[in-house]
Amino acid sequence: NAGVMQNPRHLVRRRGQEARLRCSPMKGHSHVYWYRQLPEEGLKFMVYLQKENIIDESGMPKERFSAEFPKEGPSILRIQQVVRGDSAAYFCASSLMTSGLVNIQYFGAGTRLSVL
Amino acid sequence: RKEVEQDPGPFNVPEGATVAFNCTYSNSASQSFFWYRQDCRKEPKLLMSVYSSGNEDGRFTAQLNRASQYISLLIRDSKLSDSATYLCVGFYNTDKLIFGTGTRLQVFP
Repeated sequence: NAGVMQNPRHLVRRRGQEARLRCSPMKGHSHVYWYRQLPEEGLKFMVYLQKENIIDESGMPKERFSAEFPKEGPSILRIQQVVRGDSAAYFCASSLMTSGLVNIQYFGAGTRLSVL
Repeated sequence: RKEVEQDPGPFNVPEGATVAFNCTYSNSASQSFFWYRQDCRKEPKLLMSVYSSGNEDGRFTAQLNRASQYISLLIRDSKLSDSATYLCVGFYNTDKLIFGTGTRLQVFP
């Protein structure tokens, strides 16, 4: 009974390169959330997706960041032309359902992005 | 003002001690609250949900006071393995979790 799977666990990129972070939700979960944790700070919401739909992207930076959750395959968080300030831990979470019910989100182990 | 505020600590307590963490929130429209635990360089893990009536899970007791917009977590008989950062988390009907910055606990022998 696998939990939320994220890969890679660690990702090193040089400034200007692209970073692709992948997240497979828990079995049966169709809601995916991405959060970012900067060093010594709390987790900040980035985006909430359901299959083939972006529901809430209010936490996404306006440029260079995009997310998708295709019908088949994992959710992808894509960061283009990375800068040093993008260095952080990126956590994915999934949940079974929302819409008024208590939303228990389960987190993956995260991807630690380091930009050189 | 942050939506969820916590004292960052650290709280350094001996084994066996009782320790209490507090958290305040600014958005009265919040629906639910949780305490998550995060170990160093690991993902947050759900510790417990928080209800107005108060709830207990073994050595852990959580309480929500909606009138004061205040949440607490009490840990009795602290263990070395309780050392971690404790995250106060609010859930609003926008489906996203709002995290406090966390309170660090260090339990020493």
